[in-house]
Amino acid sequence: ETGVTQTPRHLVMGMTNKKSLKCEQHLGHNAMYWYKQSAKKPLELMFVYNFKEQTENNSVPSRFSPECPNSSHLFLHLHTLQPEDSALYLCASSQVAGISGANVLTFGAGSRLTVL
Amino acid sequence: AQSVTQLGSHVSVSEGALVLLRCNYSSSVPPYLFWYVQYPNQGLQLLLKYTTGATLVKGINGFEAEFKKSETSFHLTKPSAHMSDAAEYFCAVSAQNSGYALNFGKGTSLLVTP
Repeated sequence: ETGVTQTPRHLVMGMTNKKSLKCEQHLGHNAMYWYKQSAKKPLELMFVYNFKEQTENNSVPSRFSPECPNSSHLFLHLHTLQPEDSALYLCASSQVAGISGANVLTFGAGSRLTVL
Repeated sequence: AQSVTQLGSHVSVSEGALVLLRCNYSSSVPPYLFWYVQYPNQGLQLLLKYTTGATLVKGINGFEAEFKKSETSFHLTKPSAHMSDAAEYFCAVSAQNSGYALNFGKGTSLLVTP
């Protein structure tokens, strides 16, 4: 496997279900991200992990819970979601050096979530 | 904070015609600018980036973009469109010490007609 792998690619869940999205990067990067992509809206940054430490949480509802057990894996735990949470969830990784903001993100193919 | 605005949510060109996708940025500090492309059912792929130095940046698949500070723009161009260029294009911005993540525009869908 190479690059950034996301599973599952498609997920349908009810509002009372608990599910998780998984992301794995094989690039040796030290930062990982979750973005939400909804129709007709800009990509929304949800969470950032740098060296396994969460560095950003952009006011994401608590029904989304991230977990980063190591620098290669990132999870997004989903609980009691709403239909408006239906979207494409993109994982990305990057190699962050120093304090520069010019790091390049490598994206996975995304997990398409539908909440019924 | 930094932000970008992409002008035109849909652009249609004929095969062989010039491609021009517009992006304007807002940043109080020198920005880093990126263009990404997204093909159907795929993630985003980096086309090119501007950090410092030469303002004309060349990327993959024949695309290039020019950083114009006076116009706060970073428009993406390609001299001759190919059918395979049909995709969604995203402009993004970050800046030194602004954190690691990028702020994206809403995207421009490029349609290439025969």
